[in-house]
Amino acid sequence: NAGVTQTPKFRILKIGQSMTLQCTQDMNHNYMYWYRQDPGMGLKLIYYSVGAGITDKGEVPNGYNVSRSTTEDFPLRLELAAPSQTSVYFCASSYDSKSYGYTFGSGTRLTVV
Amino acid sequence: AQKITQTQPGMFVQEKEAVTLDCTYDTSDPSYGLFWYKQPSSGEMIFLIYQGSYDQQNATEGRYSLNFQKARKSANLVISASQLGDSAMYFCAMREGHSDYKLSFGAGTTVTVRA
Repeated sequence: NAGVTQTPKFRILKIGQSMTLQCTQDMNHNYMYWYRQDPGMGLKLIYYSVGAGITDKGEVPNGYNVSRSTTEDFPLRLELAAPSQTSVYFCASSYDSKSYGYTFGSGTRLTVV
Repeated sequence: AQKITQTQPGMFVQEKEAVTLDCTYDTSDPSYGLFWYKQPSSGEMIFLIYQGSYDQQNATEGRYSLNFQKARKSANLVISASQLGDSAMYFCAMREGHSDYKLSFGAGTTVTVRA
């Protein structure tokens, strides 16, 4: 049972570079989410998807893009990286029910210098 | 407006004692779920306990219990018999039925257990 797999685990980017954070789940969950966690803070929602082909913005979408071409994959794209995007990024997936929590990936620690 | 408020940024507790972590929430949706997660220094998010808005009894999971006071919109986590391994950041979160099941997180409380 792999659950939610995120890659890479760590990355250092230079200002202005771009990258894609990968997220894959094998539980056939329709709902997937991307959060960022700044040091000592809670998680803020970047983007989410309720199914293949459907995505929507969360609280802090600026500077990011997503796509959802399959149920399994939900990559997060950073264009023109900025120091403010230094954070830990979590991908999560879930059933469509208020009674179930998320299954989280292990996180990606990103530093923009 | 903040959906989840955790007012204790950090707490110290003696090993084997109980500790209560405060959480208040704000929603007009009658159907919602409340969750607590633990984040140790290694960074992963670990699900601890769940309480549904219609549940009559407070949730319990081993040493974790949730003190659910619906009228006060409060969902405090109680950890009994604290262990050194309980040292971590703890997050309260809420999932509303009408919001595409997004989880809204509080800012977290850091718990340090002393020997």
